Amino acid sequence: GQNIDQPTEMTATEGAIVQINCTYQTSGFNGLFWYQQHAGEAPTFLSYNVLDGLEEKGRFSSFLSRSKGYSYLLLKELQMKDSASYLCAVRPRKKNSGNTPLVFGKGTRLSVIA
Amino acid sequence: GAGVSQSPRYKVAKRGQDVALRCDPISGHVSLFWYQQALGQGPEFLTYFQNEAQLDKSGLPSDRFFAERPEGSVSTLKIQRTQQEDSAVYLCASSGDRGRGQPQHFGDGTRLSIL
Repeated sequence: GQNIDQPTEMTATEGAIVQINCTYQTSGFNGLFWYQQHAGEAPTFLSYNVLDGLEEKGRFSSFLSRSKGYSYLLLKELQMKDSASYLCAVRPRKKNSGNTPLVFGKGTRLSVIA
Repeated sequence: GAGVSQSPRYKVAKRGQDVALRCDPISGHVSLFWYQQALGQGPEFLTYFQNEAQLDKSGLPSDRFFAERPEGSVSTLKIQRTQQEDSAVYLCASSGDRGRGQPQHFGDGTRLSIL
């Protein structure tokens, strides 16, 4: 089966650093994505990991350990506009030709407070 | 436009009515996905097209749900004889490659409310 776990809610202070964890158990693994979703809007792509290690992109970094089935998203220098849901999504291994749908976690709702 | 466009943004229908939701993917994108997102949940996969071919429809919850992409561009998700449990946001996403790396780009979704 497919199972992706992430915390439901988190709160952090403006200017601080926050780490959102994600653990997964899927039928094969072909990459992990993090998306940001503001209420009533489209999920927007933040990061992609397929190999172990840290990927850094500005204030956002994402880490992957395939052996542990674990990823985290790190947000630095938090701003009020970072208040949103953060979705962890895994692409299982392709069964046949073509692309593969993503399996999403339920999302972590982050509130940034002054 | 530059992004994935979905219409309508909001749809209210009475139980038992049929509805049709439209998705305009990013021009040239081969892959197109439909997802259903309930309130406070992550998106859940419904169906996937590669060009005009529907390669995976394993996520469609019942035979009342039907999707098509006849010319390999615009896609329509149709729900027949709607029921209250169909109320959700329906998201469309497109992707430019056939595999690794490139992300799926999402539209703003259609919020469907069944009365």
